[in-house]
Amino acid sequence: GEDVEQSLFLSVREGDSSVINCTYTDSSSTYLYWYKQEPGAGLQLLTYIFSNMDMKQDQRLTVLLNKKDKHLSLRIADTQTGDSAIYFCAELVETGANNLFFGTGTRLTVIP
Amino acid sequence: DVKVTQSSRYLVKRTGEKVFLECVQDMDHENMFWYRQDPGLGLRLIYFSYDVKMKEKGDIPEGYSVSREKKERFSLILESASTNQTSMYLCASSLFSPGNIQYFGAGTRLSVL
Repeated sequence: GEDVEQSLFLSVREGDSSVINCTYTDSSSTYLYWYKQEPGAGLQLLTYIFSNMDMKQDQRLTVLLNKKDKHLSLRIADTQTGDSAIYFCAELVETGANNLFFGTGTRLTVIP
Repeated sequence: DVKVTQSSRYLVKRTGEKVFLECVQDMDHENMFWYRQDPGLGLRLIYFSYDVKMKEKGDIPEGYSVSREKKERFSLILESASTNQTSMYLCASSLFSPGNIQYFGAGTRLSVL
């Protein structure tokens, strides 16, 4: 499959901003996604960005896309303890299968 | 809201047993997917289906099979469970449309002893 990379762990203090980074390899990606997984639960879609955009903001979440460097980031402003979770980035590669390729996930720990 | 329901949250099986993991979605989605999730490896696609009775292999199909007899239901089958199939299994569904947003079930944590 495609190669989507994330760092495995991130710790931040409550109230600070968190930035989770992701790199991908396929330049033909059309959509890129951020999913959140809380303990013991499935994945929940947080936000997504179309590849012709470079930024998308949704309340405390800001997604930045640098298509030239194939780099995606998720910034969470005013991080709360409820934001502690695993965050997955994923890319959609529009082959015949139209499948998503997921990164390894970044475990965000928010320190009170 | 889209609902994807996996029949079991936890399963414990013995080596060599035949195991069925069931997934049902209620939004008339064409596509359904089975992933396994392991620490440090993220989600890996086992099989997917884009229509009734249709199935395609994902990245790690060995040791698994699937069945899709009805549009809303997608079953993952471990013909003879092995200890290396101990994992979290996640089912997802999506419409066949631009964006392909996948909606996930809560997962089934399978332990094979």
